[in-house]
Amino acid sequence: AQSVAQPEDQVNVAEGNPLTVKCTYSVSGNPYLFWYVQYPNRGLQFLLKYITGDNLVKGSYGFEAEFNKSQTSFHLKKPSALVSDSALYFCAVRARQTGANNLFFGTGTRLTVIP
Amino acid sequence: DAGITQSPRHKVTETGTPVTLRCHQTENHRYMYWYRQDPGHGLRLIHYSYGVKDTDKGEVSDGYSVSRSKTEDFLLTLESATSSQTSVYFCAISLDRAGTDTQYFGPGTRLTVL
Repeated sequence: AQSVAQPEDQVNVAEGNPLTVKCTYSVSGNPYLFWYVQYPNRGLQFLLKYITGDNLVKGSYGFEAEFNKSQTSFHLKKPSALVSDSALYFCAVRARQTGANNLFFGTGTRLTVIP
Repeated sequence: DAGITQSPRHKVTETGTPVTLRCHQTENHRYMYWYRQDPGHGLRLIHYSYGVKDTDKGEVSDGYSVSRSKTEDFLLTLESATSSQTSVYFCAISLDRAGTDTQYFGPGTRLTVL
């Protein structure tokens, strides 16, 4: 079975400070991992993905994520938060050997960047 | 929103009535998906399609049916809506079934079943 855990429903950070949104996963075998962001009344926007290779993945809007196989984690990070980063963030996973292409999503983390 | 439109964007209906949601894409992508988003659950897959007339069930398919008669359109039907189907519904597309392929999402349809 595949699953994703986002242990924090809410993360608050001051503008200009680094931010981290946590994600851990459970799959059989090696995972494909994704981060999406959702702004109010909008669909999900793709931020970045880990497929293979370098454990540090860089994505849109200055975000990056680090794949840690031993800790089964894929935390999203940004060196300096902006107020405009305030949104709902979803981590998703897919096991490489599954038949369907559906993603398994976490429950989301609401990020608030305080001016 | 990646060349994907969903209609209607908002709908309020009554229990027991049929409802059809439409997803339209201009990208000519082969794969299309319907998800529902609920608080505390994230997004869950309802049905997906891997080509015209080719569909399969997802994680939460009970009470839903789908049809795809053209590459660009993927319809989600609630034959007899229930209050438990009140949710936000998202359509997504991807070019290929490979696990590496990114799914792109539409703007969503907010459905309320009274």
